[in-house]
Amino acid sequence: NAGVTQTPKFQVLKTGQSMTLQCAQDMNHEYMSWYRQDPGMGLRLIHYSVGAGITDQGEVPNGYNVSRSTTEDFPLRLLSAAPSQTSVYFCASSGGHLQETQYFGPGTRLLVL
Amino acid sequence: AQKVTQAQTEISVVEKEDVTLDCVYETRDTTYYLFWYKQPPSGELVFLIRRNSFDEQNEISGRYSWNFQKSTSSFNFTITASQVVDSAVYFCALSELNTGNQFYFGTGTSLTVIP
Repeated sequence: NAGVTQTPKFQVLKTGQSMTLQCAQDMNHEYMSWYRQDPGMGLRLIHYSVGAGITDQGEVPNGYNVSRSTTEDFPLRLLSAAPSQTSVYFCASSGGHLQETQYFGPGTRLLVL
Repeated sequence: AQKVTQAQTEISVVEKEDVTLDCVYETRDTTYYLFWYKQPPSGELVFLIRRNSFDEQNEISGRYSWNFQKSTSSFNFTITASQVVDSAVYFCALSELNTGNQFYFGTGTSLTVIP
């Protein structure tokens, strides 16, 4: 099992550009989530999904969209990148619900100029 | 208000010393879960432990031990005989059963073990 994979590992965008961060898991987990990690702020939940076709907002959802068409994939879309979205993004998955242990991908480092 | 507080931003210890990382949480739920994750310099997040609110037994795993005290809302993590490989950022996290699917992380404690 590859676990949770994320692509790309690093990305540079210009302000206003759009892009999609990819996340996939091969553990048949129902729950998937996206976090951003900023210095001194820990990890903050952006969006999450409790199963295919179901998504919801976390603590910092503005500027991001998600969809969950399959159990395996949970892409995060930045519609119009802003310098404030410069961060490290982590995708995570867990078996049943949020209280289960979440396993994290390796992260995507995003720089918005 | 912070749901999870890790007051120690940075800690440095000399190798072989013991070190305790503090975690204080805030919740009104009676059912909740607490976690510790390690983030080494390579950047990945490594799961260390999960604890539910009904299990206050302390846990030991090798050089790692966790002290869960509901009376003080704390879930502290102790590394015994620290090693250089323990140098990392450690995060404490909280998940509440009845307040939606939110998962709250503390701001992390950066531990440096000096050889």
